[in-house]
Amino acid sequence: GQQLNQSPQSMFIQEGEDVSMNCTSSSIFNTWLWYKQDPGEGPVLLIALYKAGELTSNGRLTAQFGITRKDSFLNISASIPSDVGIYFCAGQSVGNQFYFGTGTSLTVIP
Amino acid sequence: NAGVMQNPRHLVRRRGQEARLRCSPMKGHSHVYWYRQLPEEGLKFMVYLQKENIIDESGMPKERFSAEFPKEGPSILRIQQVVRGDSAAYFCASSPVQGASTEAFFGQGTRLTVV
Repeated sequence: GQQLNQSPQSMFIQEGEDVSMNCTSSSIFNTWLWYKQDPGEGPVLLIALYKAGELTSNGRLTAQFGITRKDSFLNISASIPSDVGIYFCAGQSVGNQFYFGTGTSLTVIP
Repeated sequence: NAGVMQNPRHLVRRRGQEARLRCSPMKGHSHVYWYRQLPEEGLKFMVYLQKENIIDESGMPKERFSAEFPKEGPSILRIQQVVRGDSAAYFCASSPVQGASTEAFFGQGTRLTVV
């Protein structure tokens, strides 16, 4: 299957700091999605991006669909303790399949 | 509009038994995906189904594992003769019509423990 490279693998930040994580692929995607997973729960969709170059915000979250359609980034501004969790990127291929990154584990230190 | 429903949330099976995991997609969604997640790891694709069709099963082990999504009722992931290595969280996601840029929504998962 497709491989999505997600980085960084883990982050430890102070409350109030901004966070940035990204995802790259060897193939182009029609859609980029960002999810957050809390322990013991399923991934929850945070942001969906549909067009190359698109920049979308959801509260303190901002994500962009790369111009090449092979990458995306997610920024979290002014982090708070409840931002703790694992963040996954996902790309939807032309065959309607969804491929996931390996995840970024975020720890916010109060 | 209820979300993706998976049951059971937790399932304990002895080695050699069968495990059946159920997934009811969101209303109006005709595409279902199953993923497996080991502790501290990402989501590994297993199978992609449309109603009554398997679209892509390239991520599913060839033996002991099967999946279906009948015309009526939930999608079922079936694991026969379970082994300890099958212990994992199994997540189902659903999405609407094929061919458009869409989103996939996840259920809360079934945590399978093989003892």
